Amino acid sequence: EVQLVESGGHLVQPGGSLRLSCVASGFTFSNYWMSWVRQAPGKGLEWVANMKPDGSETYYGDSVKGRFTISRDNAKNSLFLQMNSLRAEDTAVYFCARAGVHITYWGQGTLVTVSA
Amino acid sequence: ERVMTQSPATLSVSPGERATLSCRASRNVNSNLAWYQQKPAQAPRLLVYDASTRATGIPARFSGSGSGTEFTLTISSLQSEDFAVYYCQQYNNWPYTFGQGTKLQIK
Repeated sequence: EVQLVESGGHLVQPGGSLRLSCVASGFTFSNYWMSWVRQAPGKGLEWVANMKPDGSETYYGDSVKGRFTISRDNAKNSLFLQMNSLRAEDTAVYFCARAGVHITYWGQGTLVTVSA
Repeated sequence: ERVMTQSPATLSVSPGERATLSCRASRNVNSNLAWYQQKPAQAPRLLVYDASTRATGIPARFSGSGSGTEFTLTISSLQSEDFAVYYCQQYNNWPYTFGQGTKLQIK
């Protein structure tokens, strides 16, 4: 059974940093593109970042480019999202996803709140 | 960036009836379109990809159609568990983008 378990979300002040983690199980992690997708409270979905299986390619949404960094550790079946210079509009549930172009598997999400 | 526009924002339908949800792309996305269902406090679930291919385990009452800029998700006979929010998503070009969602509610 495929499982994706996120952690690391909590309350942070504007301008602060946070690192999200996602541990994967139930599939060969190193074979798949992985992604982060977020959803602001009561709002729709936004694709944040994508990473190739070997980590050689990454893609970012315009709203986070230059502030967020996606990374992975294939030996530990883990995906990460380093978030810097956080803004109030980054407040959202962040989902880890197994995805190249569409998302077959999602985690349950971790809530990031950016507020003073 | 390709903007995805879904209509209507809210759709009220009775159980057993047909529901038709629309998604329009600002520019051609070929058939690179997926549909998701999301229930409260849950992650979305993939229903359809490549515009018309049902994902594994998705009932046959869900069907997708369209290509280019106009797409439709049809639910042929609504069951109680189908009342949720539905999103379309294009993956023709990065950044991949979602529509704003259609809330399907009980009439």
